[in-house]
Amino acid sequence: DAGVIQSPRHEVTEMGQEVTLRCKPISGHNSLFWYRQTMMRGLELLIYFNNNVPIDDSGMPEDRFSAKMPNASFSTLKIQPSEPRDSAVYFCASSLRQGIDGYTFGSGTRLTVV
Amino acid sequence: QKEVEQNSGPLSVPEGAIASLNCTYSDRGSQSFFWYRQYSGKSPELIMFIYSNGDKEDGRFTAQLNKASQYVSLLIRDSQPSDSATYLCAVNVNNDMRFGAGTRLTVKP
Repeated sequence: DAGVIQSPRHEVTEMGQEVTLRCKPISGHNSLFWYRQTMMRGLELLIYFNNNVPIDDSGMPEDRFSAKMPNASFSTLKIQPSEPRDSAVYFCASSLRQGIDGYTFGSGTRLTVV
Repeated sequence: QKEVEQNSGPLSVPEGAIASLNCTYSDRGSQSFFWYRQYSGKSPELIMFIYSNGDKEDGRFTAQLNKASQYVSLLIRDSQPSDSATYLCAVNVNNDMRFGAGTRLTVKP
């Protein structure tokens, strides 16, 4: 298996622009998670899906953030409009059995908003 | 009080020594416990998990869990420079995985 695949690896955008991050989880994994990592705040859970259904989006910082999972093999995290404080590394992770198995993380997307 | 607490380090040990990484958690309902390794600029990688009190060994790694004390640790025997990384403790409570801030480990040749 190729693991969790994220794209793009790096994204530099101007403030106010829309940013879309993409994730393909490991085939057969039922749970998908979006995390944000910064030096100041560490790893923060933004939202997670079970069987393509959003379960907990309490970590989404603002209405500017939205996430979708249209099918079992694809998810997006969108920021519109982006702001400099959104600059961080965004990780997608998937798990076969949430709560039992650990998570497999993608390589991350390093987002810089200037 | 943070839900999952780790000493941020850096923890520095000489090559060949035992590195001891510690983690405490606040929720007594925590059910499963994980250690992730994160190299600089890379993503977290699962290295150990433990569910029951006691020790669990995997190669040079040993995870230790004491639910009464709400304490989980990771021992790395015969530390190598390649073990230099940040180690994240994660605790699962009702399908909610909570991560500590991580301990940065440096193994000096």
